Amino acid sequence: AQSVAQPEDQVNVAEGNPLTVKCTYSVSGNPYLFWYVQYPNRGLQFLLKYITGDNLVKGSYGFEAEFNKSQTSFHLKKPSALVSDSALYFCAPHRNKLIFGAGTRLAVHP
Amino acid sequence: NAGVTQTPKFRILKIGQSMTLQCAQDMNHNYMYWYRQDPGMGLKLIYYSVGAGITDKGEVPNGYNVSRSTTEDFPLRLELAAPSQTSVYFCASSSRAGNTGELFFGEGSRLTVL
Repeated sequence: AQSVAQPEDQVNVAEGNPLTVKCTYSVSGNPYLFWYVQYPNRGLQFLLKYITGDNLVKGSYGFEAEFNKSQTSFHLKKPSALVSDSALYFCAPHRNKLIFGAGTRLAVHP
Repeated sequence: NAGVTQTPKFRILKIGQSMTLQCAQDMNHNYMYWYRQDPGMGLKLIYYSVGAGITDKGEVPNGYNVSRSTTEDFPLRLELAAPSQTSVYFCASSSRAGNTGELFFGEGSRLTVL
């Protein structure tokens, strides 16, 4: 069965510190990989995607993600967190359809 | 440019009632989707459409129906509402198949069935 895991329900980080939101997946073949962000009472917004090529992908709002094929991981990163980054983040591999993880809540404290 | 518009934003239904969640997009996207979001469960695909006149089931289609008579509109109908259908519903659209193109989401419709 195809699945995606976001092992942390919540990640807490101080403003200005680097952040990582983890994602691992179990999907056959070579899936495309996406990250979406959801702000309170809003729909999901696309952040970035990996299709092929360089393992480090850059996206919106200074976010980037690192693809690791051997570990089947696609961790989301940002060098310096902002309070405004506080939101719910979803990892979503695509193989025939998007498979959304349960989400990780990022809380950035001043 | 409004993007993806969903109505209503909130609705309370009694068990057994029926209703339609409306979704419209003004980006001329061929692909449209309905998801439901339950706490701690991520998003589950209910139905999707690859173009006007074409719809198909997703992971959790039971209790729902859709139609796609135009490119712009993709309504979701709930027949005989049940408490298990209490959820937040999101409509999304894409210009290409979801594996290469990002999805654009509406702001959601929060449905409570009592």
